[in-house]
Amino acid sequence: DGGITQSPKYLFRKEGQNVTLSCEQNLNHDAMYWYRQDPGQGLRLIYYSQIVNDFQKGDIAEGYSVSREKKESFPLTVTSAQKNPTAFYLCAWSPGTSVDTDTQYFGPGTRLTVL
Amino acid sequence: AQTVTQSQPEMSVQEAETVTLSCTYDTSENNYYLFWYKQPPSRQMILVIRQEAYKQQNATENRFSVNFQKAAKSFSLKISDSQLGDTAMYFCAFSQGNTPLVFGKGTRLSVIA
Repeated sequence: DGGITQSPKYLFRKEGQNVTLSCEQNLNHDAMYWYRQDPGQGLRLIYYSQIVNDFQKGDIAEGYSVSREKKESFPLTVTSAQKNPTAFYLCAWSPGTSVDTDTQYFGPGTRLTVL
Repeated sequence: AQTVTQSQPEMSVQEAETVTLSCTYDTSENNYYLFWYKQPPSRQMILVIRQEAYKQQNATENRFSVNFQKAAKSFSLKISDSQLGDTAMYFCAFSQGNTPLVFGKGTRLSVIA
């Protein structure tokens, strides 16, 4: 899993409900990211965090929220305001070392389906 | 803003042959990083190869190598001795360093026995 755990693998929600996707890493790294993937598309950035208690919006943050209360956890909430939430969601981390500060490693992903 | 373009939505190659996937990008920065990721049917994103823009030498990882042309802003991936397990989506990505990745839309590669 590349040092990062995402759960659950498949998630179903009813329209109008909020849902939270889990992302946990056990490697003590600072930087974590959330991406969304739609069919035929590359990954698009939702939110990222480079330090505890701080995070920045990505290109498609509307309808999503995050928290970073602990270094090892970066949960993503898909709110009812997200118009088209059905997608594959990927969480990633980067080492932040002087040698490999930029490379990102990904979790296995969560497939969210809105019924 | 940086952009990454992969002009080949789908490609196929015979097993044991060589295939090259294209990627171009647009940036005004001089220092940056380029990546190729592989996404097999399991959908796990796997790092294939990484290139620092300040290095002139092309990166290689076993059967995978890149042709990095900085002036042309081109970053192609060559897969030698293609194997059935290479069948996957391949994504080219760009980063300025400790920043989020910018991805292309991907190339679907099929290796045929």
